[in-house]
Amino acid sequence: NAGVTQTPKFQVLKTGQSMTLQCAQDMNHNSMYWYRQDPGMGLRLIYYSASEGTTDKGEVPNGYNVSRLNKREFSLRLESAAPSQTSVYFCASAPGDPPGEKLFFGSGTQLSVL
Amino acid sequence: LAKTTQPISMDSYEGQEVNITCSHNNIATNDYITWYQQFPSQGPRFIIQGYKTKVTNEVASLFIPADRKSSTLSLPRVSLSDTAVYYCLVATHNTDKLIFGTGTRLQVFP
Repeated sequence: NAGVTQTPKFQVLKTGQSMTLQCAQDMNHNSMYWYRQDPGMGLRLIYYSASEGTTDKGEVPNGYNVSRLNKREFSLRLESAAPSQTSVYFCASAPGDPPGEKLFFGSGTQLSVL
Repeated sequence: LAKTTQPISMDSYEGQEVNITCSHNNIATNDYITWYQQFPSQGPRFIIQGYKTKVTNEVASLFIPADRKSSTLSLPRVSLSDTAVYYCLVATHNTDKLIFGTGTRLQVFP
């Protein structure tokens, strides 16, 4: 039982490059999330998906796009990476009811944009 | 959405009880209160959740007064391995938009 799996674990990009962060969960959860965490800071919500086929903006959606491919997978895309997007990205999933209960997080993707 | 306020940092010694308080003055009727723990280079991990009064599990206790405008996470007899950042999260039943506060950085000394 893998839980929440994120790939890649590390990535270095040049300014302007694009990439997609992958996330998959095997717990049959309804809700999935993408957060970013800058060094020494808290978690900021980028996008979330309450159920398959729906996505909504979080606190800091600019510069990102997401796709809820199916119930298991929720990907995050950077179309044109900027140095300000250097961060650790966490994917999480949750059953969805009640909200906030037992969010399961992946191990994170450390992204550096040069 | 309810905004949460926590102390930025706290220090303790091994064996002591630690209480971390979170303020959420505009909590709504349907909101739940959840606490998470985060170690460096890891994603947060669920600790405990409550709606009112007191909840206890094998790791911690959560105290919520009648007005629910604050909550206190209690960690009994902390050890060095409890050094981490602790987040209070208030989530409403009507939305899945889960926004974390700034968290409390707990440092446990020998």
